Amino acid sequence: EDKVVQSPLSLVVHEGDTVTLNCSYEVTNFRSLLWYKQEKKAPTFLFMLTSSGIEKKSGRLSSILDKKELFSILNITATQTGDSAVYLCAVDRGTDKLIFGTGTRLQVFP
Amino acid sequence: KAGVTQTPRYLIKTRGQQVTLSCSPISGHRSVSWYQQTPGQGLQFLFEYFSETQRNKGNFPGRFSGRQFSNSRSEMNVSTLELGDSALYLCASSYRGRFWVTEAFFGQGTRLTVV
Repeated sequence: EDKVVQSPLSLVVHEGDTVTLNCSYEVTNFRSLLWYKQEKKAPTFLFMLTSSGIEKKSGRLSSILDKKELFSILNITATQTGDSAVYLCAVDRGTDKLIFGTGTRLQVFP
Repeated sequence: KAGVTQTPRYLIKTRGQQVTLSCSPISGHRSVSWYQQTPGQGLQFLFEYFSETQRNKGNFPGRFSGRQFSNSRSEMNVSTLELGDSALYLCASSYRGRFWVTEAFFGQGTRLTVV
């Protein structure tokens, strides 16, 4: 059965800290891995990763995929209170059915 | 460019009733997927439509159904509502061409409460 597992489930840090969120997966017919940030309702897109070892970067956020070990990490440096959200990892098998992990809830305190 | 639009934003229904939710995808996107999000189960796939055809279906009972119109707008229907159907229902659209695929863009969701 396809599954996506995220860890940790919850994380509490102070502003300025660096955090690493993990996502491991076991799916058939992997096409891409996506990271989303969900603050209130609509998950907003962060990254789409298709190739191993190529880091994607956007400001203080970066992510990388390891297709051999079947995992991805999302790094956030110099965290801010605005980074508080649930971070969702999803795998696209090319069928438009995204398989989501349960998410990591990040709380950043001033 | 307008994003994915879902209506209504909030809905309160009683057990046994039925409900219809609407989703208008981003212009040019023909693929529309629906997800149910609950605190315990996370985001779970309901079904996906492409060019008015249901291509994939998740593990939900037959009370959950959907359709897509020729303009790519989609509706999902839940009949004989149960308390456990209370959830945030999210719609996502994407462009799926032969050689190029975009990420899924989500709407704001419809918060359904069944009492």
